[in-house]
Amino acid sequence: DSGVTQTPKHLITATGQRVTLRCSPRSGDLSVYWYQQSLDQGLQFLIQYYNGEERAKGNILERFSAQQFPDLHSELNLSSLELGDSALYFCASSATGVFETQYFGPGTRLLVL
Amino acid sequence: DQQVKQNSPSLSVQEGRISILNCDYTNSMFDYFLWYKKYPAEGPTFLISISSIKDKNEDGRFTVFLNKSAKHLSLHIVPSQPGDSAVYFCAASENTGFQKLVFGTGTRLLVSP
Repeated sequence: DSGVTQTPKHLITATGQRVTLRCSPRSGDLSVYWYQQSLDQGLQFLIQYYNGEERAKGNILERFSAQQFPDLHSELNLSSLELGDSALYFCASSATGVFETQYFGPGTRLLVL
Repeated sequence: DQQVKQNSPSLSVQEGRISILNCDYTNSMFDYFLWYKKYPAEGPTFLISISSIKDKNEDGRFTVFLNKSAKHLSLHIVPSQPGDSAVYFCAASENTGFQKLVFGTGTRLLVSP
């Protein structure tokens, strides 16, 4: 158990809908990262937050947004969903977000029908 | 453009033998490398890391070797155990003040008794 929690574990929705994925980092970690793993793909970095502020952005679509709250949990919002958004979404956390190991949650499996 | 490549999608070894997983990268700015192990329906689990100032790092049965001139790293598992059967991801990052991990596509290791 990495100490990173993600809810929900599974999510099934329809095209055009909006969903919110939630992540709670390990106790004491200030930085949260979001990754997407599509079928047969490696993990693709989406976005990083540090202590409530956006620190780095990767290949995140404009339809996707995220935030980190004062209690350090983070939410990833996916809107106008398309079939191709079906994937595993992982959250990771680390202490400071610089040059250190990231610890991953169990992921949320999103299926868009 | 795949900056981190794991060219072997799968590897089979016998219990007790050495497993060698390989990873190549193209970005010369990468200076921190990690290996993660992933079981089905779980998030990636951190295994071992190495910074670019070293060429070898050991942790129990796991050793990572880094050849900066060849832009190549490898993970050695000795002796291999059936419980090591999983997908192994290589990841890399630049020391730019934030830490976006770039992952390879993974190698599925099967250790047979």
